[in-house]
Amino acid sequence: EIVLTQSPATLSLSPGERATLSCRASQSVSSYLAWYQQKPGQAPRLLIYDASNRATGIPARFSGSGSGTDFTLTISSLEPEDFAVYYCQQRSNWSYTFGQGTKLEIK
Amino acid sequence: QLQLQESGPGLVKPSETLSLTCTVSGGSISSSSYYWGWIRQPPGKGLEWIGSIYYSGSTYYNPSLKSRVTISVDTSKNQFSLKLSSVTAADTAVYYCATELVRWFDPWGQGTLVTVSS
Repeated sequence: EIVLTQSPATLSLSPGERATLSCRASQSVSSYLAWYQQKPGQAPRLLIYDASNRATGIPARFSGSGSGTDFTLTISSLEPEDFAVYYCQQRSNWSYTFGQGTKLEIK
Repeated sequence: QLQLQESGPGLVKPSETLSLTCTVSGGSISSSSYYWGWIRQPPGKGLEWIGSIYYSGSTYYNPSLKSRVTISVDTSKNQFSLKLSSVTAADTAVYYCATELVRWFDPWGQGTLVTVSS
């Protein structure tokens, strides 16, 4: 099983700042990594698929990068609605795993 | 635009079988473009993929749950279902159904909380 490790566990920033979230895989997942945003009481929402492709309707301030084992989700300028928990997810060998999440909180 | 909605009992007794159904609207569950998946999230914790199914009935499961999980599809009702047997308190979670597109999930249902307790 491929393990995804997200860092940091919690990120405290202010609106307008740049957020950088990391996801590291225990072995290469090529570019097959997705990112989700989850707000309290809501289902996760797809942000990024295949490492760098924004899902439909996702603002341009969200971007993804990386390949192999190291991936980054960047939010260029935080809006108040961006404070949430973010998960990465991979698929390999007919199995999915998720990272443990990064909580982005208001400083 | 696809929409998914989970339904089923919110309380299940230990050792019994958890049963949930996901109803798909806005599109056909028989589309060749999608698989259909179940994911769960224990309270305050992260996400765990349970398994997925194609409209033909082909399935694949999380190895850690495989012995207890059955996912089925009813194309006539545009629904797919989850059965998880021999549940314990550790199976208490919000259960989500979702559209599996290639290598990711989008969209998701709103989720339903299932509590395992006597």
